[in-house]
Amino acid sequence: EVHLVESGGVVVEPGGSLRLSCAASGFTFDDYTMHWVRQTPGKGLEWVSLINWDGSSTFYADSVKGRFTISRDNRKNSLYLQMNSLRTEDTALYYCAKDRGAGSQYYLDSWGQGTLVTASS
Amino acid sequence: DIQMTQSPSSVSASVGDRVTITCRASQGISSWLAWYQQKPGKAPILLIYAASNLQGGVPSRFSGSGSGTEFILTINSLQPEDFATYYCQQANSFPALIFGGGTRVEIK
Repeated sequence: EVHLVESGGVVVEPGGSLRLSCAASGFTFDDYTMHWVRQTPGKGLEWVSLINWDGSSTFYADSVKGRFTISRDNRKNSLYLQMNSLRTEDTALYYCAKDRGAGSQYYLDSWGQGTLVTASS
Repeated sequence: DIQMTQSPSSVSASVGDRVTITCRASQGISSWLAWYQQKPGKAPILLIYAASNLQGGVPSRFSGSGSGTEFILTINSLQPEDFATYYCQQANSFPALIFGGGTRVEIK
């Protein structure tokens, strides 16, 4: 059974930095593209970033480009999101999610429980 | 950028009803569309991918149809566990995944 567990969400001041982690198990981690998606009550679901199986390709939503960095460690079955220059509008529940297909299909078939990031002074 | 518009934003229905939810794309996305179900306090669950393909483990009362710019999620014989919020997501405008605004299915 696929299991994704996010961690690292805390309250941080605007302008601060934070690193989220996602521990994966139950599947061959390095076969799959992985994603970060966030959710706020007011704006629904927003895709944040993706990374391909070996980390050689990364993509970002315009809203986080230049501030967030996605990475992975296939030896540790872990996904990361480094968040810099945080803004109040980055406040959200952050999910890591697994792409459905080996390679990339851009459908998300497994999600973690989420970790809450609050950017507030 | 492609915009995804869901309608209605909420619907009230009874157990046993048939419910349809529409998702419209601002430009054609072929069949690059998924549907998710989300219950309060839980992560989304993939129901349908590639517009009409049922994800493994999802009950057959859920079905998806459409292509191009208009897509429909149908729930036949609504069950108590189906009361939730449903989201569409387009996967055509690589690499950005765009979600619709959601449709809440409520108990009448």
